[in-house]
Amino acid sequence: QQPVQSPQAVILREGEDAVINCSSSKALYSVHWYRQKHGEAPVFLMILLKGGEQKGHEKISASFNEKKQQSSLYLTASQLSYSGTYFCGTDSTSGSARQLTFGSGTQLTVLP
Amino acid sequence: DGGITQSPKYLFRKEGQNVTLSCEQNLNHDAMYWYRQDPGQGLRLIYYSQIVNDFQKGDIAEGYSVSREKKESFPLTVTSAQKNPTAFYLCASSFNPGGRGGANVLTFGAGSRLTVL
Repeated sequence: QQPVQSPQAVILREGEDAVINCSSSKALYSVHWYRQKHGEAPVFLMILLKGGEQKGHEKISASFNEKKQQSSLYLTASQLSYSGTYFCGTDSTSGSARQLTFGSGTQLTVLP
Repeated sequence: DGGITQSPKYLFRKEGQNVTLSCEQNLNHDAMYWYRQDPGQGLRLIYYSQIVNDFQKGDIAEGYSVSREKKESFPLTVTSAQKNPTAFYLCASSFNPGGRGGANVLTFGAGSRLTVL
């Protein structure tokens, strides 16, 4: 089942902060975050593993609450280059054939 | 440089025709995947392959077929049985991030946009 992302879209001014949420109805082993710029391939940002571990990437960080089956992506002091669509991918599979189920994406637009 | 090459980038096809999308990787990754992307629906898994000569259906496999004869190659055929094939198709491959467990981190190709006329 597809995780739910919110908000669907957000518009910021350069330097402002944003939070993107990802929620699943299933128990999760990990959560991945990817960013896709228009017309390009999605690019991996970070992985959050079971255990509530928080990871960071430049001024982008994320948290994972495994009890609530939720993850949040934090974009601090946003830059123009942060514009794009952000996808969370959740891993709730067991066994060796692990795979991700992606949310519908959050479109982030950073204006000068 | 290592990466994933998808071809063609744009493809037009008439209804009733099969079409094959190419995906080649030189990352020495074992696993390969095909995703379909539609506006507002994110990425949906079509097929994936963990090793050569083996593949599994994803969430939306109907109307699609794949093969994995070589580690580097994972072509996707969109058959005439696929009712709504117009979409953006993404191929990906993955490595295992050093024993951390969990789903493997994906590296994506640039995608192929298929339009059915």
